[in-house]
Amino acid sequence: AQSVTQLDSHVSVSEGTPVLLRCNYSSSYSPSLFWYVQHPNKGLQLLLKYTSAATLVKGINGFEAEFKKSETSFHLTKPSAHMSDAAEYFCVVILSGGYNKLIFGAGTRLAVHP
Amino acid sequence: GAVVSQHPSWVICKSGTSVKIECRSLDFQATTMFWYRQFPKQSLMLMATSNEGSKATYEQGVEKDKFLINHASLTLSTLTVTSAHPEDSSFYICSPRATGWETQYFGPGTRLLVL
Repeated sequence: AQSVTQLDSHVSVSEGTPVLLRCNYSSSYSPSLFWYVQHPNKGLQLLLKYTSAATLVKGINGFEAEFKKSETSFHLTKPSAHMSDAAEYFCVVILSGGYNKLIFGAGTRLAVHP
Repeated sequence: GAVVSQHPSWVICKSGTSVKIECRSLDFQATTMFWYRQFPKQSLMLMATSNEGSKATYEQGVEKDKFLINHASLTLSTLTVTSAHPEDSSFYICSPRATGWETQYFGPGTRLLVL
C-alpha cells in the first residue's frame, strides 16, 4: 500500500539559510508524488509534482524536490528561506486504482526566523 | 492553476443544526469531487469521494447519513453536516478533479465551529 512519512513535524530555520523538509514514501511501484503548502487559514497550494519524468523537480517560489528511488525519498529543499515561506507543508502520494485518492503525510510546520 | 471556491469560508452554528458547505470549480468541470476534513494541527483526512451524478463513496469511519454529499453538476458539490455537534468542528476542504487530470486543486476551506 502507498503511504508517505514526513520525518519532521517542525522545522525551524533562519531567514536566508537552506530549507530541507524530509519525506519518505512507500509504494509497490513508481508513485506520483506532490508537495503542497498551506498558509494559515488558507487553502492548499501545489508547490511541485513528480510523475516519473525528471527526478529533480522544480516548483514555485524557488522550491525543488528530488525523487530518489533507492532511498524512497522525495525531500523538499530551498536554497534560501524567506519569511513568507513559514507555513505547513504536506508530502502527498497518489493511491492508484479507483478514484486515485491522495494520501497526505502528517505535515511539517516550517518556521522562519529573522 | 484551476480556481476553486468554497462558501461559506467560516460558519458558527448551534449544536443540533445542519450546515451546508458549497464547493465550486469556477473554470473547469469536476467529474470527481473529494471532501477532506482537517482538525487543528493535523493533516487532511479524506472523508468521501463522489462522481458527478453518483452517490458518494465514504471512507471508513465517516458516517454517510451525517455528512451528506451532493454532486449534482460538474461545477458544484455540497457537503451538509447534519445535526452538527461540537466534535464536528473542523476545517472542511473540497478538492475537485477533472477527468484525466493528475494534479488536484483545493478549495480555500470552510472553518466550522459548533457551539
